[in-house]
Amino acid sequence: AQKITQTQPGMFVQEKEAVTLDCTYDTSDPSYGLFWYKQPSSGEMIFLIYQGSYDQQNATEGRYSLNFQKARKSANLVISASQLGDSAMYFCAMAGQGGSEKLVFGKGMKLTVNP
Amino acid sequence: DVKVTQSSRYLVKRTGEKVFLECVQDMDHENMFWYRQDPGLGLRLIYFSYDVKMKEKGDIPEGYSVSREKKERFSLILESASTNQTSMYLCASSYNPWDRARDGYGYTFGSGTRLTVV
Repeated sequence: AQKITQTQPGMFVQEKEAVTLDCTYDTSDPSYGLFWYKQPSSGEMIFLIYQGSYDQQNATEGRYSLNFQKARKSANLVISASQLGDSAMYFCAMAGQGGSEKLVFGKGMKLTVNP
Repeated sequence: DVKVTQSSRYLVKRTGEKVFLECVQDMDHENMFWYRQDPGLGLRLIYFSYDVKMKEKGDIPEGYSVSREKKERFSLILESASTNQTSMYLCASSYNPWDRARDGYGYTFGSGTRLTVV
């Protein structure tokens, strides 16, 4: 079974500062993918970044980067230069290899960016 | 540009009613999913389908059933709604092949249906 753990219920950060959102995972699948999603107050789930378990380099997408430490089973999201629009719920998720790759989510954490 | 459409944004139903939540995707995705989102619990998988007429139970299938008669449509059915099924319901779809992982499997979510059972 796959499990995602997000222990930070909420974080506050000043605008333009960098912030790290923690995520640890557990799986017995030899190959898997790790995802981060953003959910603003409007409710839609916005895909941010993906990391494959066999990727040699950490994933980056604009201001988002994923600090992937496979031995520690952690996949922390780093947001550089926070913006007010980054205030939202953030979910870490994973999917294993197989015929139907279902996403398993963590409980999420709320990020608030202060001006 | 809407790709995954959920039929209702808000629904209010009475206890004991049979409730249908509809989801349609236009991306020709093989996989479709129904999640339930509750504060402090994240998203929990109710059911998923990897092909027409195929379905598998997720983590919390009790009290729910699903139907997938066409590739683009995946329906969630509450056989007899109860107050503990008051929640936000999210539909999603994705590619099946593993090699599509570069774009995050193409997972796309609908905007959600907030269901209140009174």
